[in-house]
Amino acid sequence: GAVVSQHPSRVICKSGTSVKIECRSLDFQATTMFWYRQFPKQSLMLMATSNEGSKATYEQGVEKDKFLINHASLTLSTLTVTSAHPEDSSFYICSATPEDRVYEQFFGPGTRLTVL
Amino acid sequence: DAKTTQPPSMDCAEGRAANLPCNHSTISGNEYVYWYRQIHSQGPQYIIHGLKNNETNEMASLIITEDRKSSTLILPHATLRDTAVYYCIVSSGSARQLTFGSGTQLTVLP
Repeated sequence: GAVVSQHPSRVICKSGTSVKIECRSLDFQATTMFWYRQFPKQSLMLMATSNEGSKATYEQGVEKDKFLINHASLTLSTLTVTSAHPEDSSFYICSATPEDRVYEQFFGPGTRLTVL
Repeated sequence: DAKTTQPPSMDCAEGRAANLPCNHSTISGNEYVYWYRQIHSQGPQYIIHGLKNNETNEMASLIITEDRKSSTLILPHATLRDTAVYYCIVSSGSARQLTFGSGTQLTVLP
C-alpha cells in the first residue's frame, strides 16, 4: 500500500509554455502533499507544501505565481509550471504521508521536465 | 532541524554488509533519525526511522549511539539493486518536514 503516482513521467516543452504535473495518492487519502525539485547531481529541494482545500505554502525563494499548486481533492495535487524556461528544466517529485503512517513519506516516481 | 553529515560515497561488495554512517551531533531530544534512499532517476524510498532504540525491519537495521549524536544504517546483505544515494535526515515528529542533505552514494560491486 501507500503508492504515489505522477503523470507525466517525462515532458519536453518549448520555452514560454505551461506544463501541468499531476500527483496522485492511489490507495490512501492525503491532506498534505509535498513538491520537490531536484537538479542533476544535487539533492532534493522542497518547493512547497500542498494543502487540500487551502493555499499551498511555498519555501523561501520559490515563486508562487510561477509554480501554481492546486490540491483539489484528498488524492490529487497538481503543479503547474507557468511560462517555463530552460532553467526550470529539472526532476520534479511529489510525496505524501498517510494519516496512519505519519513517520513515512511516500514519494512519486518523479517527472523529468525539459524546457527547450 | 539538526544538520547531518554523511560521507559522499562508499563501496560495498555484493553479499557483504553495508554500514552507512551519519553524524547528527546537534540532534535534540524530540528529533527522529530517518533514512531514505534514492535509486537513480526515481523518487526516494523510505527505509527506516528511530528515536533512541535500535530498529530493524525487512530492509535494514538502524543503530543509534547512546548519546544520539550519530547513527549507522546497516544493509545486512547488500545486492546490486541497493546501489543508490542514501539520505540520513533528522526531523522532529512526523515525516512531514524532511530536509534532504547531499547523502551517501553507495555502490555495490559485483
